[in-house]
Amino acid sequence: GAGVSQSPSNKVTEKGKDVELRCDPISGHTALYWYRQRLGQGLEFLIYFQGNSAPDKSGLPSDRFSAERTGESVSTLTIQRTQQEDSAVYLCASSLYAGELFFGEGSRLTVL
Amino acid sequence: AQSVTQLDSQVPVFEEAPVELRCNYSSSVSVYLFWYVQYPNQGLQLLLKYLSGSTLVKGINGFEAEFNKSQTSFHLRKPSVHISDTAEYFCAVRGQAGTALIFGKGTTLSVSS
Repeated sequence: GAGVSQSPSNKVTEKGKDVELRCDPISGHTALYWYRQRLGQGLEFLIYFQGNSAPDKSGLPSDRFSAERTGESVSTLTIQRTQQEDSAVYLCASSLYAGELFFGEGSRLTVL
Repeated sequence: AQSVTQLDSQVPVFEEAPVELRCNYSSSVSVYLFWYVQYPNQGLQLLLKYLSGSTLVKGINGFEAEFNKSQTSFHLRKPSVHISDTAEYFCAVRGQAGTALIFGKGTTLSVSS
């Protein structure tokens, strides 16, 4: 596609449920990033993929968070047993190897 | 690990005044530096980037930044701001190729008339 696509754009869930957030990067982009942006806060790095491997997953806040990428394209961020503090906008970005990041519009997660 | 410090969380300024948003990073190796902007209720977009070469980098909307290796800084400047420049500005740094892009906490620029 022309840009980075994320789905769903909005997700409301109950505490304790699992959620999956999807990211379709720009075709041909080898690097893919996930960030979290809480209301009024900066971008918190979660995980970075180069191809299908994740050389840096140091930002995942707990073992409830996991991410995978297949076929050097689509990535899924999974949050298990969601908590209220997980409420945030989850941003995905892609880039060629060391270049500019292109961001998606984000998935807004609200945990009730 | 890389880190980025944006020294001002909020910068209020009057229209047509000059502005500088400060950014310092921690690294002793080559870095790539970026400034991104997030307008209200919009996604992030790139303002400018430093990869190599000239230390003065010009970006969109009249913004520029200067890479200062000795001071590990990459401050963003604009000689005359407009109301439409009101937004959140993020400085970001990446170390050697193959590492993650780390963002600062952001600076809110508020331009009033």
